[in-house]
Amino acid sequence: KAGVTQTPRYLIKTRGQQVTLSCSPISGHRSVSWYQQTPGQGLQFLFEYFSETQRNKGNFPGRFSGRQFSNSRSEMNVSTLELGDSALYLCASSERQVNTEAFFGQGTRLTVV
Amino acid sequence: GISVTQMEGPVTLSEEAFLTINCTYTATGYPSLFWYVQYPGEGLQLLLKATKADDKGSNKGFEATYRKETTSFHLEKGSVQVSDSAVYFCALINTGTASKLTFGTGTRLQVTL
Repeated sequence: KAGVTQTPRYLIKTRGQQVTLSCSPISGHRSVSWYQQTPGQGLQFLFEYFSETQRNKGNFPGRFSGRQFSNSRSEMNVSTLELGDSALYLCASSERQVNTEAFFGQGTRLTVV
Repeated sequence: GISVTQMEGPVTLSEEAFLTINCTYTATGYPSLFWYVQYPGEGLQLLLKATKADDKGSNKGFEATYRKETTSFHLEKGSVQVSDSAVYFCALINTGTASKLTFGTGTRLQVTL
């Protein structure tokens, strides 16, 4: 069974631009969560989707958004990029929504210059 | 609030030494507890988990026991190898928060010959 696939692996963007990151969960998994990892703030929860609906959201500004498609694939979008958005963005998939382990992709490394 | 506290790193050990990484948590109800490991340039891999008090999670020689009375989930390994060098994250899913993970700050382990 293939793991969680995130594309692209690396991105370089300029301040003010927007970016879209993609995540394909493990086959059969319906829950997808996104996390931001930075040296200063560690791992922070962005949002979670289950059956195309956002079920949970972290404390991030409205510039961060996401969606989930009917095949459970998910995208996250960051608009009006700031230097502080440079981070490793990790996607995790879970089989169910409640009380189950999450499996992570390798992440997308976003650098904002 | 909900939080996970890990011992500060880095932890430097010689090969075959005993490893303990302390983890304590603050949560409501009965959280599920996890240890994840991150190798350089990679995403997170689930190392082990425990879903109720007194459960012991184990994998690849690593063990951790869910201690509700001390709100702890310390990671141990009897004999570390150079290949265990990585960053280790303690995490929890709190009751009623679906699959949202709250992470500790991570502990870097360096194992030398």
